[in-house]
Amino acid sequence: DIVMTQSPLSLPVTPGEPASISCRSSQSLLHSDGNNRLDWYLQKSGQSPQLLIYLGSSRASGVPDRFSGSGSGTDFTLKISRVEAEDVGVYYCMQALQTPRTFGPGTKVDIK
Amino acid sequence: QITLKESGPTLVRPTQTLTLTCTFSGFSLTTSGVGVGWIRQPPGKALEWLAYIYWNDDKRNSPSLKSRLTITKDTSKNQVVLTMINMDPADTATYYCGRLPYYSYHGMDVWGQGTTVTVSS
Repeated sequence: DIVMTQSPLSLPVTPGEPASISCRSSQSLLHSDGNNRLDWYLQKSGQSPQLLIYLGSSRASGVPDRFSGSGSGTDFTLKISRVEAEDVGVYYCMQALQTPRTFGPGTKVDIK
Repeated sequence: QITLKESGPTLVRPTQTLTLTCTFSGFSLTTSGVGVGWIRQPPGKALEWLAYIYWNDDKRNSPSLKSRLTITKDTSKNQVVLTMINMDPADTATYYCGRLPYYSYHGMDVWGQGTTVTVSS
C-alpha cells in the first residue's frame, strides 16, 4: 500500500496570513498520462469532507482561488494564500493512483 | 442539485452483517465514467477508503477488507449498497458515500452527510 504522510500535523494560523501543508507519498503518484493522482480534502468540524484539489493542482468547483495545490511525484503542497476563519478544520491528502486508496493522517488547522 | 444520503442501522452486534445504502439524486450511475465510493472514519481518527463502484460495474475494494466487503449498485433505484460481514467493534465509524464524477481522476466531489455505525454487544 502507498503510505501517505503529512506535515505538520497541527498548524495554528493567523487570518490574512499564508499557510502551507506538505504531503508525501511512499511511491510516486505521477501517472503515465502526466497527471499526479493526488487529492486534497478539508473536513470542517462536524461536517463531511469536501474536495478541494484533484490531480495534484486542479481546484474543485466552487473552491476559492486562495487554495492551490502543487508538487509532483512524491512531494506535494497545499497552500492557502490568505487564511480565512472559515478555513479551519482537518486537511487530508489522498493518493488516487493505486488500490487501496490511502489517506494521510490529516493536518489540523486552527486559528492562533 | 447532486445529493447523496447514507442509510442503515446505527447499532450492529459483533459478527453480524452491516448493510448500508447510499441513495443519490442529480446524477446517473449509467453515465460513462461516473462512480460512487464509500469512505469511513472511526471516532477521532483519519479517513479510510473502503470501495468504489463505477458505471460499468467495475469495482475496487480495500484488499484488507476484501473478503468482508461487497459493493453493488441498483441503477433503477439510484442506490449503491455496501455490505460488510462479520462486524467487529473496530468497525465502529461514520460511513460516507460520495460521487466520483469521472472515475477517481477528479476526486470525490460530493459527499453524503454520513451515517454513524456502532458495533457493540
